[in-house]
Amino acid sequence: DADVTQTPRNRITKTGKRIMLECSQTKGHDRMYWYRQDPGLGLRLIYYSFDVKDINKGEISDGYSVSRQAQAKFSLSLESAIPNQTALYFCATSDRTRERPQHFGDGTRLSIL
Amino acid sequence: GDSVTQMEGPVTLSEEAFLTINCTYTATGYPSLFWYVQYPGEGLQLLLKATKADDKGSNKGFEATYRKETTSFHLEKGSVQVSDSAVYFCALSPGNTPLVFGKGTRLSVIA
Repeated sequence: DADVTQTPRNRITKTGKRIMLECSQTKGHDRMYWYRQDPGLGLRLIYYSFDVKDINKGEISDGYSVSRQAQAKFSLSLESAIPNQTALYFCATSDRTRERPQHFGDGTRLSIL
Repeated sequence: GDSVTQMEGPVTLSEEAFLTINCTYTATGYPSLFWYVQYPGEGLQLLLKATKADDKGSNKGFEATYRKETTSFHLEKGSVQVSDSAVYFCALSPGNTPLVFGKGTRLSVIA
């Protein structure tokens, strides 16, 4: 089984709909992150959480919200989806040590029509 | 703020050619540096890392040396294979904040 699991893997939806992307991890890491990947722009950080009671905005948090339900679960919501939120979304985890790199899920491809 | 600049792609090479992907960074303090690889349809995987100046990270034939004097962490491989075709991301860890990524460089290796 994957260490970092994202669901769904693919989603097509319409403008204005509420969407939730889920992430769960079995690595026992404290820190979890949501990134967005767009062609030519690399990865941009949306939100991150250093523990269950900690939520921080990243570079592009507008239009998104998150919930850290447990150490192992971190969900990303689009309250009212718009077409320019069409992208590939990645969840990642890391432990507290700064030298330890992040581990990524396989991504959710989201298309908003 | 902290930032990473990578050479723009795409980079197209013939099999067995020498690869260099340039990466320079701006950071306060002494960050750790990473290269990640993303194969088609997959998430990012750590390729190699270096945690202090003059460290050399290496994995799967790829190497990168942490050069503090030039603030660089260039990725090299002596002989690329078709299976190396992927997108490569340089990243830095400034400390107690999330990784900062470059925009990625797409590599295509043709037989």
